[in-house]
Amino acid sequence: NAGVTQTPKFQVLKTGQSMTLQCAQDMNHNSMYWYRQDPGMGLRLIYYSASEGTTDKGEVPNGYNVSRLNKREFSLRLESAAPSQTSVYFCASSVRQGYQETQYFGPGTRLLVL
Amino acid sequence: AQSVTQLGSHVSVSEGALVLLRCNYSSSVPPYLFWYVQYPNQGLQLLLKYTTGATLVKGINGFEAEFKKSETSFHLTKPSAHMSDAAEYFCAVLSRSGSARQLTFGSGTQLTVLP
Repeated sequence: NAGVTQTPKFQVLKTGQSMTLQCAQDMNHNSMYWYRQDPGMGLRLIYYSASEGTTDKGEVPNGYNVSRLNKREFSLRLESAAPSQTSVYFCASSVRQGYQETQYFGPGTRLLVL
Repeated sequence: AQSVTQLGSHVSVSEGALVLLRCNYSSSVPPYLFWYVQYPNQGLQLLLKYTTGATLVKGINGFEAEFKKSETSFHLTKPSAHMSDAAEYFCAVLSRSGSARQLTFGSGTQLTVLP
């Protein structure tokens, strides 16, 4: 049971390049999330998918798109990378028990945009 | 809207001393509260959570937190710090809007443990 996995671990892009960050979970969770982490700002939600086939914007969605490919996989795409998107990106998945929910995080992808 | 404030972006304690990391929240509904720990170059690991019931919550690695509704606080404590506790700690509150669930995080507290 690998939990939440993310690829790649590190990436360097030039301004204007595109890339897709991959996330997969093997815990049969319905909900998945993408966050970015910047120094002194904690984690901020980019997009989430409450269930397979649905996606919704979070706090900072501009410049990103997502795809919930199936129940296991949730990808994040940067169509035209900008230096402001230099960050550490975390994927999470969650299990719900009534109103309660616990999110489990992947190891992160460190992205540098030059 | 929910929000979380962590007082002190950096906290230093001596090995064996009490660890106290402060977290205050605002929530318009009964909150679900979490503490996560992040070791260098790693993802976030759940330390403990409060949902309902007992207000004193015990987590992994000897940490515990107490939910105090009157103070809107959820401070994290450990009686005796260990060198391995050095990490960044995040408090978070779960917000609920219809079927959506979102975690709102504080800005984090970096814990340094001095020998």
